[in-house]
Amino acid sequence: NAGVTQTPKFQVLKTGQSMTLQCAQDMNHNSMYWYRQDPGMGLRLIYYSASEGTTDKGEVPNGYNVSRLNKREFSLRLESAAPSQTSVYFCASSEVGSTDTQYFGPGTRLTVL
Amino acid sequence: QKEVEQNSGPLSVPEGAIASLNCTYSDRGSQSFFWYRQYSGKSPELIMFIYSNGDKEDGRFTAQLNKASQYVSLLIRDSQPSDSATYLCAVRGEAGGGNKLTFGTGTQLKVEL
Repeated sequence: NAGVTQTPKFQVLKTGQSMTLQCAQDMNHNSMYWYRQDPGMGLRLIYYSASEGTTDKGEVPNGYNVSRLNKREFSLRLESAAPSQTSVYFCASSEVGSTDTQYFGPGTRLTVL
Repeated sequence: QKEVEQNSGPLSVPEGAIASLNCTYSDRGSQSFFWYRQYSGKSPELIMFIYSNGDKEDGRFTAQLNKASQYVSLLIRDSQPSDSATYLCAVRGEAGGGNKLTFGTGTQLKVEL
């Protein structure tokens, strides 16, 4: 089991460019999440998908869109990147149940110039 | 705004000592509490979760929960240099609110030889 995988690992964009961050999980989890982590700010939820076919905004959704492509995949799109979106992005997944534990991918380091 | 507060540290302890990490939360309806460890440049990994008031032990780690006082703590016994990392406290809200977690900003732990 690979767990949660993310691509790419690193990316540099210019202001105004667009890109999609990919996330996939092989744990058959229903719920998936996108977070950003900035120094001194902790992990902040951007969007989440409680189950296939549903998505909802988190704490900091502005400037992002998501797609739950199927049960395994959940992508995050930046339509017009801004320097304020320079961050480390983590995808996570979980299964509703006795533990509700979220498992994280390795992260994507994004720099917007 | 649901908040989770942690002292950012760094908390320095000598090897073999007990490290005590604390976390307070504002949402009195919170249901589940998680401790994640994050090494520099890596993704968060789950150490423990706790649901009920009292103590929960797992090896060298003990999580303590006091819902009346709205705090959760993590004790690490016989601290090792490999325990040096940032420890993130995460809280899940009221039942029916999904699996969304609110993270604290983390406490940096340094275990010194």
